[in-house]
Amino acid sequence: AQSVTQLDSQVPVFEEAPVELRCNYSSSVSVYLFWYVQYPNQGLQLLLKYLSGSTLVKGINGFEAEFNKSQTSFHLRKPSVHISDTAEYFCAVANYGQNFVFGPGTRLSVLP
Amino acid sequence: NAGVTQTPKFRILKIGQSMTLQCTQDMNHNYMYWYRQDPGMGLKLIYYSVGAGITDKGEVPNGYNVSRSTTEDFPLRLELAAPSQTSVYFCASSFGLAGGPTYNEQFFGPGTRLTVL
Repeated sequence: AQSVTQLDSQVPVFEEAPVELRCNYSSSVSVYLFWYVQYPNQGLQLLLKYLSGSTLVKGINGFEAEFNKSQTSFHLRKPSVHISDTAEYFCAVANYGQNFVFGPGTRLSVLP
Repeated sequence: NAGVTQTPKFRILKIGQSMTLQCTQDMNHNYMYWYRQDPGMGLKLIYYSVGAGITDKGEVPNGYNVSRSTTEDFPLRLELAAPSQTSVYFCASSFGLAGGPTYNEQFFGPGTRLTVL
């Protein structure tokens, strides 16, 4: 069975600083990986996804993630965060024939 | 194009009451999903549907029922509400190939916050 671990439940960071949100997964087969963002009182929206090809994936709002198969990781990064990036971020994994499995989420708080 | 809409936004139920959470999508997606979100737990899949007339259980189906009579609508029914069902419920939809669940992007509704007292 697949599982997703997000090692940090909360990440506080100052505005304009870089941030990395960590995601590790376990799966015995090839996977597809996703990062979703949830702004307060809203549904989830897709930030970026890895299906195949280049291991560095660029998404919306300046975020990017790198797929590392040997470390079974898919960490999310942004070089300079804004107050508006304050939200909860969810990593998810899927493989063909299986439903999505979401991680527990990381709450990013950007401080002025 | 409204995407995925959910009603109501908020609801308070008493133990033992019943209710239906409504979900509608206008993207002609064949796949639809119901999740519940509890603090620190991420999203757990309750039920999903791969097309009209076809539904299947997810990870946490107990206490819920669903139906899918049209492509657009996927209501979630709680028959005998319990405090453990206090949660935020999200409906989502996606387009997928026939034959199994899909890895395509899921589009989410704004959620229904349910409290059972």
